[in-house]
This record gives sequence, C-alpha cells and structure tokens, in this order.
Amino acid sequence: AQTVTQSQPEMSVQEAETVTLSCTYDTSENNYYLFWYKQPPSRQMILVIRQEAYKQQNATENRFSVNFQKAAKSFSLKISDSQLGDTAMYFCAYSAGNNRKLIWGLGTSLAVNP
Amino acid sequence: GAVVSQHPSRVICKSGTSVKIECRSLDFQATTMFWYRQFPKQSLMLMATSNEGSKATYEQGVEKDKFLINHASLTLSTLTVTSAHPEDSSFYICSARRSGGLGETQYFGPGTRLLVL
Repeated sequence: AQTVTQSQPEMSVQEAETVTLSCTYDTSENNYYLFWYKQPPSRQMILVIRQEAYKQQNATENRFSVNFQKAAKSFSLKISDSQLGDTAMYFCAYSAGNNRKLIWGLGTSLAVNP
Repeated sequence: GAVVSQHPSRVICKSGTSVKIECRSLDFQATTMFWYRQFPKQSLMLMATSNEGSKATYEQGVEKDKFLINHASLTLSTLTVTSAHPEDSSFYICSARRSGGLGETQYFGPGTRLLVL
C-alpha cells in the first residue's frame, strides 16, 4: 500500500532564513505525482508545488523548491527567504493509478518567527 | 487559474436536519471531484470521489445514505449531509481534479464548517 510519511510534526524558522521539510513515501508504482500543499490558519488548502515522477529535474516555484530523490523515495520541500505568511501546515501528498486519489502525510506545522 | 468555490462557508443547523454543500470549479471543467473531512490538527480524510454523470465512489466506513453526493455537471458537485447529528460537526473540503493538461492536480475549495447542535 502507498504511504506518505512526514517525520517532523512541528518546525520553526526565523524570518528570511531557509527551512527544509521532509517527506518520504512508499510505492511500487513507476508513474506517480507528488505534491506539497500548504494550509494556513484560514484552512484553505493551497498547492505549493508538484513533481512528476518521470521528470528528473527538481520542481521549483519562486522561493519553493523540492529535492526529489526517486530511488530513496524522498521528496523534501525547501523554503528560502522564509516569510511570515509562510506560517502554515504543510502536507506532502502522492497520487497514482487510475483513480488519482491523494495519499496524505500527517503534516508539518511550520512557524515563521519575526 | 484554477479556482474552486464552496458554499456555504459555515453552517449551523439543528440535529435531524439536512445540509447541502456546493462545490464549483469556476474556471475549468472537472470530471472528478473529491470530498474530504478534516478534524482539527489532522490531515484530510477522503470521504468519496464524485464523477460527473455517474455514482460517487465512497471510501470504506463512509455511509453513502448519510452523505449524498451528486455531480450533475462538469463544474458542480454537491454533498448533502442527511439527518445531521452532532458527531457530523466537522470541516468539509472539496477538491476538483482538472481535466487534461494539469489533470493530475487537485484544486481545493475554501471549506465548509458544519456545526450540528
């Protein structure tokens, strides 16, 4: 069965610094997608970044980038120049197969401190 | 963009009444929508997958007669909580899977807070 593990329940970082959130997953599929979603206090779930497993190049979106290690089944998120608005719950998620359901990690609560 | 709206944003109802929640994809067509439930400080729990023009697929343990789902068009899915009870109080979130192109990405509505008294 596919699983997603986020081993850091809580993290904090100083404003303007860099933080990395870890995510590992387990799958026997070869074609799949990985996502990082952000859920701020408003509880709106926002897509941060997505990675297609067949692409070797790590995805980047402005201050957000991933380190995708397919063999190790690792998918970490790096946030550079952290801002107060980055304070949120971050969820790692995986999808594959015909139904494309998302398998979720338990989340990492990130606090950006001024 | 990929905007998903959800209505209402919050609702308070009496025990025994039914509540309907709407989920709309505003700027794209969604053949598949998903309904989730989220408890405080927890991850999302998938309740059902809603496919346009066909019956929804429910996850194990979710009562389909309790949580009625209708996906009548490519931009609208509804979740009706029938005969709501206090234990149904929760945060309900829908998502829409974008067809074609970025078809593997789910975009989420802002959620509905349901409180059953």
